[in-house]
Amino acid sequence: EPEVTQTPSHQVTQMGQEVILRCVPISNHLYFYWYRQILGQKVEFLVSFYNNEISEKSEIFDDQFSVERPDGSNFTLKIRSTKLEDSAMYFCASSGIGGRTDTQYFGPGTRLTVL
Amino acid sequence: QKEVEQNSGPLSVPEGAIASLNCTYSDRGSQSFFWYRQYSGKSPELIMFIYSNGDKEDGRFTAQLNKASQYVSLLIRDSQPSDSATYLCAGVDSWGKLQFGAGTQVVVTP
Repeated sequence: EPEVTQTPSHQVTQMGQEVILRCVPISNHLYFYWYRQILGQKVEFLVSFYNNEISEKSEIFDDQFSVERPDGSNFTLKIRSTKLEDSAMYFCASSGIGGRTDTQYFGPGTRLTVL
Repeated sequence: QKEVEQNSGPLSVPEGAIASLNCTYSDRGSQSFFWYRQYSGKSPELIMFIYSNGDKEDGRFTAQLNKASQYVSLLIRDSQPSDSATYLCAGVDSWGKLQFGAGTQVVVTP
């Protein structure tokens, strides 16, 4: 069964460093998302991406964040200058041809630890 | 602030019994609703979705949606120890943004 994959599974970085989190969505999906979950808290929406542009972004997704689909398979989230409060699980999700409200399937997540 | 509210639990359920989970939402623009299961340290795993008023059954799971009351529920029949997890309710808006509740922790006791 197709699945969303994410790399790395765990990333440790120093405050102020740049990190890139990588995702490979399900191959025929058209809509891509990033969510994050701080330990013990809700899953929070960060950004949605369709047709090579951002569809919607949350207040969390400030100028330090960017997303890119550099080729036909990868979808990346970059944090330019990490802060301690960026420590969280980051989940990539994708959905298919049923439109924006179609079911989203989540990847296994990347645990980001900022020291 | 558009919210999805769930009781945090834990909801303790004897093995073989029915677990009943509830969720309310404030955004009347939400199109569909999803129940995800999340094991500790893992990603959300889809259980089922519902977009029409009424009941929807899938195996041991039944979801119920009442848009007038802005209420979504999930029943888990014949609960098993492997059902012990946090259950996340989420609504999706027209832009595809999932708004999650904080989740209800379910503990199935043998």
